[in-house]
Amino acid sequence: DVKVTQSSRYLVKRTGEKVFLECVQDMDHENMFWYRQDPGLGLRLIYFSYDVKMKEKGDIPEGYSVSREKKERFSLILESASTNQTSMYLCASSRLSGPQHFGDGTRLSIL
Amino acid sequence: AQSVTQPDIHITVSEGASLELRCNYSYGATPYLFWYVQSPGQGLQLLLKYFSGDTLVQGIKGFEAEFKRSQSSFNLRKPSVHWSDAAEYFCAVANQAGTALIFGKGTTLSVSS
Repeated sequence: DVKVTQSSRYLVKRTGEKVFLECVQDMDHENMFWYRQDPGLGLRLIYFSYDVKMKEKGDIPEGYSVSREKKERFSLILESASTNQTSMYLCASSRLSGPQHFGDGTRLSIL
Repeated sequence: AQSVTQPDIHITVSEGASLELRCNYSYGATPYLFWYVQSPGQGLQLLLKYFSGDTLVQGIKGFEAEFKRSQSSFNLRKPSVHWSDAAEYFCAVANQAGTALIFGKGTTLSVSS
């Protein structure tokens, strides 16, 4: 089975902090994705990566950056956290044209 | 632009009754279609996918979905619902490169006894 592991299930940070969300997959997938999920808005794509050191903006990249130094790891960075970034964050991975497999999510609160 | 519509925000079904969750998509080419399920506090689990071929797709947990190109629909069905099926269900469409996945806003399923 594909395993996508997100480093934290719950995280509480303060406004202005730099926040790192980590995601690791164990299936040698080429693609990795970061989404945020908000009530009434569904899932929205923040960034995705199709290879090491490669990244593409999704629908809502403002206020976020990403890093993919190794194939199995994809990090989401909140450069200066704000309260409107309080949300559930979901990481996913996939083969080039395969279905996406999701981690359990990180519920992030910015105070 | 690609989009996915799930017309029902919330559905309640009696345990043992049949279920159909609706999904309509807008996509110019042949779509890759998915249904995911999310239990409270969890990530999304893939129920089934349609890439090509037989338009009736079987998935896990007794679910199936039917692709109807003429109606731009990919409805999810289950003949007999169990209480453990209570969750949120998401329909999604991807392009063939798999570089974008567009989700519907989800349908919450409640199961009454």
